[in-house]
Amino acid sequence: GAVVSQHPSWVICKSGTSVKIECRSLDFQATTMFWYRQFPKQSLMLMATSNEGSKATYEQGVEKDKFLINHASLTLSTLTVTSAHPEDSSFYICSAPLAGNTGELFFGEGSRLTVL
Amino acid sequence: AQSVTQLGSHVSVSEGALVLLRCNYSSSVPPYLFWYVQYPNQGLQLLLKYTSAATLVKGINGFEAEFKKSETSFHLTKPSAHMSDAAEYFCAVSSNFGNEKLTFGTGTRLTIIP
Repeated sequence: GAVVSQHPSWVICKSGTSVKIECRSLDFQATTMFWYRQFPKQSLMLMATSNEGSKATYEQGVEKDKFLINHASLTLSTLTVTSAHPEDSSFYICSAPLAGNTGELFFGEGSRLTVL
Repeated sequence: AQSVTQLGSHVSVSEGALVLLRCNYSSSVPPYLFWYVQYPNQGLQLLLKYTSAATLVKGINGFEAEFKKSETSFHLTKPSAHMSDAAEYFCAVSSNFGNEKLTFGTGTRLTIIP
């Protein structure tokens, strides 16, 4: 099946620094990728839709200047958490649909961010 | 607007017993429904999906789910639980066949008792 990979899996950073998380589709091209945030013991909340070659579409309540999304190629989307604070600590997951597939999203392994 | 309600944030069953995880949905258009499983610190894996074909959907690892429009339900079942089934399970709904912008339920943590 299609594979989506995230890097890093774990990251710890100091408050005020920025962290970049990569999401790659390894064996297919993805013009669209989705970024989710998951708090402990809670469901996934869609943050934004990443579109290759254009601006990301953010969900209501998500700060676009805080969570920068870049989809520079058909296989890579990045999420940068800028000036991170402890409340940004969370599990971030990306996903991508396989074009022409009968409705399945492929999810990355997730990236756990801890801001000290 | 769409929503998903998963009844029971925690479910415990004995190994070998029936697994039943409940999911009810709300959708103004014909829904596409999904069940995903998440193991600790991992992404989500698709178990099965309903896309307006057969109402009884069979998935991986022996799981199946039945779409009941009259009850707006899509409950997940497995006849005999295995220790490896312990995980978090999410029901999700989409109005798009490409399942973009999934709306997830709050999840049900399944514990298997030896």
